[in-house]
Amino acid sequence: EAAVTQSPRNKVTVTGGNVTLSCRQTNSHNYMYWYRQDTGHGLRLIHYSYGAGNLQIGDVPDGYKATRTTQEDFFLLLELASPSQTSLYFCASSEGRGATAETLYFGSGTRLTVL
Amino acid sequence: AQKVTQTQTSISVVEKTTVTMDCVYETRDSSYFLFWYKQTASGEIVFLIRQDSYKKENATVGHYSLNFQKPKSSIGLIITATQIEDSAVYFCAMREDTEGADRLTFGKGTQLIIQP
Repeated sequence: EAAVTQSPRNKVTVTGGNVTLSCRQTNSHNYMYWYRQDTGHGLRLIHYSYGAGNLQIGDVPDGYKATRTTQEDFFLLLELASPSQTSLYFCASSEGRGATAETLYFGSGTRLTVL
Repeated sequence: AQKVTQTQTSISVVEKTTVTMDCVYETRDSSYFLFWYKQTASGEIVFLIRQDSYKKENATVGHYSLNFQKPKSSIGLIITATQIEDSAVYFCAMREDTEGADRLTFGKGTQLIIQP
């Protein structure tokens, strides 16, 4: 079973604050993703990566940066947090394309509140 | 751009009955992949089942099956003999089969409530 660990589980910050959400996967998956989940919107893709040093833009990237430092670690950065970024954030990983390889394995989520 | 629509916000059924959750999608590709994921009350999200567009046979895994109607761009999830633990939010998702299309687009989800 793939393991994806997110930290912190909960985070509260103020408007304009600097926040980093962390994600680590321990199954040598190539692909990693950051999603946000909001009521009425489902899961929306922020950024994703094919591997260390690679970054791809998702569907709702404004206000977010991301960095993939290693194959295991993927970070989401909010440099000037705004209340609109209050959300539940999920990290996910997958092996790649094709059949079972593209099954997404999700972390437990990080609940971020921006006051 | 691909789009996935789940119009049912919430469904409530009695335990041990069969339920169908709807999902329609939009894509320009002739080849694509469809998925269903489940989010439990604890927030955990897990993969359930998938359908490849080129396959005519509906996928089945355990008590989950799909009703794939390609001409209608529809992929319904059928759960038979529902159990209390099937109560969750179910997400439909799609990936197009084109170079560079390496991410899923999710619907907004359908909350399923199983009553005893």
